[in-house]
Amino acid sequence: DTGVSQDPRHKITKRGQNVTFRCDPISEHNRLYWYRQTLGQGPEFLTYFQNEAQLEKSRLLSDRFSAERPKGSFSTLEIQRTEQGDSAMYLCASSLSVVATNEKLFFGSGTQLSVL
Amino acid sequence: QKEVEQNSGPLSVPEGAIASLNCTYSDRVSQSFFWYRQYSGKSPELIMSIYSNGDKEDGRFTAQLNKASQYVSLLIRDSQPSDSATYLCAVRGTGRRALTFGSGTRLQVQP
Repeated sequence: DTGVSQDPRHKITKRGQNVTFRCDPISEHNRLYWYRQTLGQGPEFLTYFQNEAQLEKSRLLSDRFSAERPKGSFSTLEIQRTEQGDSAMYLCASSLSVVATNEKLFFGSGTQLSVL
Repeated sequence: QKEVEQNSGPLSVPEGAIASLNCTYSDRVSQSFFWYRQYSGKSPELIMSIYSNGDKEDGRFTAQLNKASQYVSLLIRDSQPSDSATYLCAVRGTGRRALTFGSGTRLQVQP
């Protein structure tokens, strides 16, 4: 399978616990994006990487959220001290950096987080 | 004002009809526009991209862009029940790489 892979597919946790999600992009893609989507809403941008460099973070991304992409391959998104408001689908997307206009994002299946 | 606005629907059309989905955006100098399809419980799937004013056709799908009116639309011809999904409009603003999404329009195609 050459698509974007996310793990786990589902995560249930208790409020206050830390969680970590993993994303493996399409192999030749050098850009990786994290989005969050709640029911009835479109995906909201969180952050993105070009290779291992984190180039932009949304104002939505509180200090409890941290993302890494060591070696420019897979990425992890960690949420510390989870809150019920963190419950959402966390989507990863990757792209091959070309002219900005033409860059297309391809999404993984997402990780559904439920905070009890 | 939201950056990307869509009517949430549902938009209900009979099988075989043309479905017309609309989107407006606020950043006047946005460069790139995308339509994604999202089935319930699944992730968004890219179906169309458009960068220049006018129409772009791909099979049963036609994307239309009017930058002067800050308006982008998606037409689906010969709609099928399998087209029933939420359609997300996404825009790339000037100087940005990330896409900004609308809330989506739910399309129901009635057999």
